[in-house]
Amino acid sequence: EVQLLESGGGLVQPGGSLRLSCAASGFTFTSYAMTWVRQAPGKGLEWVSSITGSGGSTYYADSVKGRFTISRDNSKNTLYLQMNSLRAEDTAVYYCAKNLGGLIRFSYGMDVWGQGTTVTVSS
Amino acid sequence: DIQMTQSPSSLSASVGDRVTITCRASQSISRYLNWYQQKPGKAPKLLIYAASSFQSGVPSRFSGSGSGTDFTLTISSLQPEDFATYYCQQSYSTLYTFGQGTKLEIK
Repeated sequence: EVQLLESGGGLVQPGGSLRLSCAASGFTFTSYAMTWVRQAPGKGLEWVSSITGSGGSTYYADSVKGRFTISRDNSKNTLYLQMNSLRAEDTAVYYCAKNLGGLIRFSYGMDVWGQGTTVTVSS
Repeated sequence: DIQMTQSPSSLSASVGDRVTITCRASQSISRYLNWYQQKPGKAPKLLIYAASSFQSGVPSRFSGSGSGTDFTLTISSLQPEDFATYYCQQSYSTLYTFGQGTKLEIK
């Protein structure tokens, strides 16, 4: 069964850091681009970041560029999101998702999603 | 960045109704448009990719169409399990964007 399992969420103070992990199973991890999407309480979906299968190319939303870093360890089938300089507006459920193919641009959406992990930034 | 605008933002309909949701891109995205369904407290689910291709397991009452800047998601005969929020998303650019969502409620 294809599965994604996020972890690492929690309560952090403004300016703090957190690292999210997403453990993948049931598919050839290196063959697929991966994406993080977040959803603030009561709000819509917001794309955060994507990474190619090799990890060689990464892309970020303007709202997190310079503060968040996406990475992957293909030997561990795990995706990461390092979040620094956190702000109240980063409070959200963070989902990792598998891209339908290996591409990011000219691609076909995200077909497998984790259950989400909650990040709360508050003093 | 490419902006995605959905309409309407909310919609009330009855079981058996035909419903159409539209999504407009701020520039041409060819057919790199995807539709998701999200129910409260759950992760989004991919319904349609590449504007009109069905994701595996999606009922045939869902259909998508469009190209360029204008796209539609149609549910031909609403079922009780279809009441949810729907999002469009463009994957033409390396910087993905979602529409703001359409909440489909029971009339």
